[in-house]
Amino acid sequence: EDKVVQSPLSLVVHEGDTVTLNCSYEVTNFRSLLWYKQEKKAPTFLFMLTSSGIEKKSGRLSSILDKKELFSILNITATQTGDSAVYLCAVPSGTSYGKLTFGQGTILTVHP
Amino acid sequence: DGGITQSPKYLFRKEGQNVTLSCEQNLNHDAMYWYRQDPGQGLRLIYYSQIVNDFQKGDIAEGYSVSREKKESFPLTVTSAQKNPTAFYLCASSPRAGGTGNTIYFGEGSWLTVV
Repeated sequence: EDKVVQSPLSLVVHEGDTVTLNCSYEVTNFRSLLWYKQEKKAPTFLFMLTSSGIEKKSGRLSSILDKKELFSILNITATQTGDSAVYLCAVPSGTSYGKLTFGQGTILTVHP
Repeated sequence: DGGITQSPKYLFRKEGQNVTLSCEQNLNHDAMYWYRQDPGQGLRLIYYSQIVNDFQKGDIAEGYSVSREKKESFPLTVTSAQKNPTAFYLCASSPRAGGTGNTIYFGEGSWLTVV
């Protein structure tokens, strides 16, 4: 059975801090790892990682994958209150890409 | 605009009643999915369908039923057999099996509260 574990489960920081969110996985047939941001409603796509050691960046967010150690990290620098959300990590399972196994999520709270 | 529409957004039901959540997509996607989210947990797969008139159980299918009579529609029925139905339900779709991970689209979700 595929498994995804995120840590920490929750994190409280102040604006301007840098945070690192962790995601470890066990999956039978690895194809990719996905990061999403969820603010009350539908998750919004952040990154898809398929290759080890190649950093993906989008503004203040970045992510990297280590396929040997089976984990990924999501970094957020210079955090803002708008970064407060649940961050979800997921891996596709089986033959359909929408059949995802999710981690528990990390609840990030950024105080002014 | 193309997307996924879930309805209703909020639903209250009495214990023992069946309830059906609607999910419609106009993205021409072959595959559709239902996920459940509880506080402190990630999303868990209830059912999925890769093609019309076919669907498979996910990890937590007990107490739920689905149908896929039309490509654009994938309704979920929460039956009275579901012991803890109060949760946030998300519908999703993707173009086909083997697509890329960033082509999974989510609806806005439905909050179901059973009292």
